[in-house]
Amino acid sequence: EDKVVQSPLSLVVHEGDTVTLNCSYEVTNFRSLLWYKQEKKAPTFLFMLTSSGIEKKSGRLSSILDKKELFSILNITATQTGDSAVYLCAGDSGGSNYKLTFGKGTLLTVNP
Amino acid sequence: NAGVTQTPKFQVLKTGQSMTLQCAQDMNHEYMSWYRQDPGMGLRLIHYSVGAGITDQGEVPNGYNVSRSTTEDFPLRLLSAAPSQTSVYFCASQAIIFTDTQYFGPGTRLTVL
Repeated sequence: EDKVVQSPLSLVVHEGDTVTLNCSYEVTNFRSLLWYKQEKKAPTFLFMLTSSGIEKKSGRLSSILDKKELFSILNITATQTGDSAVYLCAGDSGGSNYKLTFGKGTLLTVNP
Repeated sequence: NAGVTQTPKFQVLKTGQSMTLQCAQDMNHEYMSWYRQDPGMGLRLIHYSVGAGITDQGEVPNGYNVSRSTTEDFPLRLLSAAPSQTSVYFCASQAIIFTDTQYFGPGTRLTVL
């Protein structure tokens, strides 16, 4: 059975801090690892990672995948209160049984 | 281009009632899926479809039925609602190409009393 595990489950930081969110996965026919941000509504897409060691960056957010060790990290630098959200990662399995397996999410709270 | 739409936004049912959650997408995506999200549980896959006429079970399919008669629509049926089905339900769609991601609908908050 496919499995995605995120840590920590929750995190409280102050504005300006840097945070690292972790995601490990065991997904058959692994194709990509995706990160989403969810703020009390539908998840919104952040990154799709397919190749090991290549960092994806968007403003203060960045992410990298390690396909050998089966994990990914999401970094957020200079956090702002608007970064407060649940961050979800998901493993994408390709092939005829294509589906996403989600982790339970990391609840990030950024205090002013 | 409305993306993925879901109706209703909110619903309250009594135990034993049946209902259908509607999901539609106008992006001509082959892949559609239903998830439920419970506190602290992330998103769990209920059913999915890789094209019209093709459906398959996800992680938590019991108590739910789906059908996919058209590319655009993917309704989720609750046959006999139970309090354990109280949850937020998300529908998602995706073009089955390597570089695409899933697009989520706004969600339906369902309460079963």
